[in-house]
Parts: sequence; C-alpha cells; structure tokens
Amino acid sequence: GENVEQHPSTLSVQEGDSAVIKCTYSDSASNYFPWYKQELGKRPQLIIDIRSNVGEKKDQRIAVTLNKTAKHFSLHITETQPEDSAVYFCAASIPPGGSYIPTFGRGTSLIVHP
Amino acid sequence: DVKVTQSSRYLVKRTGEKVFLECVQDMDHENMFWYRQDPGLGLRLIYFSYDVKMKEKGDIPEGYSVSREKKERFSLILESASTNQTSMYLCASSLYRGRWDSPLHFGNGTRLTVT
Repeated sequence: GENVEQHPSTLSVQEGDSAVIKCTYSDSASNYFPWYKQELGKRPQLIIDIRSNVGEKKDQRIAVTLNKTAKHFSLHITETQPEDSAVYFCAASIPPGGSYIPTFGRGTSLIVHP
Repeated sequence: DVKVTQSSRYLVKRTGEKVFLECVQDMDHENMFWYRQDPGLGLRLIYFSYDVKMKEKGDIPEGYSVSREKKERFSLILESASTNQTSMYLCASSLYRGRWDSPLHFGNGTRLTVT
C-alpha cells in the first residue's frame, strides 16, 4: 500500500512567520492529496486539497504545492497566527479501483508563539 | 454541512468487556471509516465500509470488528477490551462509493480508556 512520510513532527514559529510542512508518498498512482487540521480536543477538518493534475493551489494564507516527479507535496502557511496552532495531517490516495484507501502522515504539531 | 456523530465522547471500560462504539452520519455518504489516533502514530485505519453489510480490514483490524446494518450507521466492536486498546477513536465518512479521492468528514471522537 501507500506510505506517507510527514516532516517535521513539531514546528514552532513566531506569529507572522511562514510555516512549511512536507509530505512524501511512495505510490506514483496517488492522485489526491488532502490536508487536515486538528485543533486541540476537536475533530480533524479538511483545510485544503490538491489533485495530481494541478501543481499548486491557494486559499488565502494557505497553499499546497505538489511535485509529482519527486513524489512530495507541501503545506505552506503564511503570516501565521496563534489560531493556526494545531496538528496538521497530510494524506494521499489513489484513483477509483485502487486497492487501498487514504493513508495519513503521522502529523505535525504547529505551535505559533504570539 | 455533513454531520458525523459519535455516541460517546468519553468511555471507561474494564479489561475483557465487550465495547460498542457507534457512529452515525446524516448526509447519505457511501463510505464510512474507523480510525484510531495515538500520539506520534497519527491516524491508523481499523476498518472501513463502502456499502451496507460490506466491511474491509484496514491496517490494524486485530481485536476489532465492525457492523454496518444501515447506510448511516457504522459500529466498531471491541470483542474483549484490552488495555492496549486505550485510545482516541475517530469515525469518518466520505461521499462516493468505493472512491477514496474525496474529503473525509470526521466525528468528534471517542476517548476510550480500558482499565
């Protein structure tokens, strides 16, 4: 099945700095790459996703980039704010008919210091 | 907005007990999942289902079983609870039958403690 590696496991930044979280995947057939944010004591929620036919996608301060050749994708958060503090999970999944479902990275704990 | 509801937020059970974790979704989603979340290990898939009465093993099915008698409800069963099953359990659903390239909608989780 798919193997997703996520780095770093912990990221500490000052408010206003940028944060970057990187994930690598093993199966070149993977075509859907979502990112989930889990605030303390809450459910994971989708914040942005990208498909393999797109190289980059932005939503306000959040962006995701995909490098299919290198099999990695990254979450970029600009102008970080304390409310961005959370655990972020990446995932990768394959097209319909594939034999496995979305595989998650182990998560990155982002801490934004005021 | 999709709502995935897990019946219990916190649960404390004794070793050897049979435990039922219930999950209901209200948006006619085809796929439902049970994940286990442990610090440093991320989200690990226990079982999933893409149709009523269908179930498939995930990465860590040992010690668990599931039931999906109705489309909206997916139950996780611990046949004989053990202390190493103390964890946060998350239920999730997604829309298209057998398609994994769409967002997951998670419940709030059940924190299970087995003593």
